[in-house]
Amino acid sequence: GAGVSQSPSNKVTEKGKDVELRCDPISGHTALYWYRQSLGQGLEFLIYFQGNSAPDKSGLPSDRFSAERTGGSVSTLTIQRTQQEDSAVYLCASSPWTARNTEAFFGQGTRLTVV
Amino acid sequence: GESVGLHLPTLSVQEGDNSIINCAYSNSASDYFIWYKQESGKGPQFIIDIRSNMDKRQGQRVTVLLNKTVKHLSLQIAATQPGDSAVYFCAETLGGGADGLTFGKGTHLIIQP
Repeated sequence: GAGVSQSPSNKVTEKGKDVELRCDPISGHTALYWYRQSLGQGLEFLIYFQGNSAPDKSGLPSDRFSAERTGGSVSTLTIQRTQQEDSAVYLCASSPWTARNTEAFFGQGTRLTVV
Repeated sequence: GESVGLHLPTLSVQEGDNSIINCAYSNSASDYFIWYKQESGKGPQFIIDIRSNMDKRQGQRVTVLLNKTVKHLSLQIAATQPGDSAVYFCAETLGGGADGLTFGKGTHLIIQP
């Protein structure tokens, strides 16, 4: 597709289970971001990938959170031993690198509910 | 206005009035700024951008003002419509995005009929 694609769109999981969220960025975009958004709140930065550089993980809230980006394209955000406070919408965005004035394009997000 | 933690400030305006949404950015070296609109249940979408060598840029019904002296951005929406109800975020970056985008906390704009 032409835009950033995230899957699943909705995920309900039991407390303590692991979940994987997927992001397919726009083809050719080298920068990829993960954000978390709780209900009625702003964007909380989680992690940022840029090309082959080491990712900026400074926003990950705990060691239960991890993310990978394979082949500089698809990214997977993994949350281990999920807790109820992990319930949120997880947004992925991508942007090109070499162009000046680059905006980030967002996916529709994955709504995670931990019960 | 400023927000504490991640709780969003709210701006309520009458339909037809002009709206002004403010954002304080963090890095005085940032050279590119973007406003995003996020409607309920959707991802943020690009509205308008501005480079640091400008202090004003106009789009369709929207104007962005940049004051580098006080590190302040504003988004003005003319003749606000019900479809403008959304959360608005500003974002800043340095060097065309190579260092990543930093987002502000967001403002929830509510349109009163």
